Amino acid sequence: QKEVEQDPGPLSVPEGAIVSLNCTYSNSAFQYFMWYRQYSRKGPELLMYTYSSGNKEDGRFTAQVDKSSKYISLFIRDSQPSDSATYLCAMKTGTASKLTFGTGTRLQVTL
Amino acid sequence: DVKVTQSSRYLVKRTGEKVFLECVQDMDHENMFWYRQDPGLGLRLIYFSYDVKMKEKGDIPEGYSVSREKKERFSLILESASTNQTSMYLCASSSPGRTDTQYFGPGTRLTVL
Repeated sequence: QKEVEQDPGPLSVPEGAIVSLNCTYSNSAFQYFMWYRQYSRKGPELLMYTYSSGNKEDGRFTAQVDKSSKYISLFIRDSQPSDSATYLCAMKTGTASKLTFGTGTRLQVTL
Repeated sequence: DVKVTQSSRYLVKRTGEKVFLECVQDMDHENMFWYRQDPGLGLRLIYFSYDVKMKEKGDIPEGYSVSREKKERFSLILESASTNQTSMYLCASSSPGRTDTQYFGPGTRLTVL
């Protein structure tokens, strides 16, 4: 079993839809949780990070962490075609510098 | 702005060749990483370095070696390239801290024939 599980998609939604992207994990030592966005033929870029449980909002994006369920989510409101990308969740323990990544979910927002 | 650059965007090599992939970062980061990315497998860590001349194996180090002679530069070496090393290679850097945010380069698409 992988430490981090993420549905690879592809996920196709119409413009303006609310998108929910999710990851589950098995290592209870993970404390920091991140979402990276990767456009085609580019390197991943950090979108959001959260520490421990709770919600964090940044514009149209909300990251949610439920440590009791070992489940994290990224919500995108009013999705745009420019949101079409692969979204990777990543997480780390408090002391490590290494990240453990999910496999990524490919999102397509259509006009 | 953090900038991580990789020496080539696309590379085609023959089986058995020695291949060098170079990565340079301009933010004085202590940590540098090499990943490969394959469909369905996501990002897998090959090696990382937390200081000059220091290195640590990642999840899939077999067939690879690394070199870090200067803080800003981290090289990945394929000693004898094989077809199963055809992949996208991504370099990243970070500074140790609470979040250890990793900044990625654009990637090198390596094809081994």
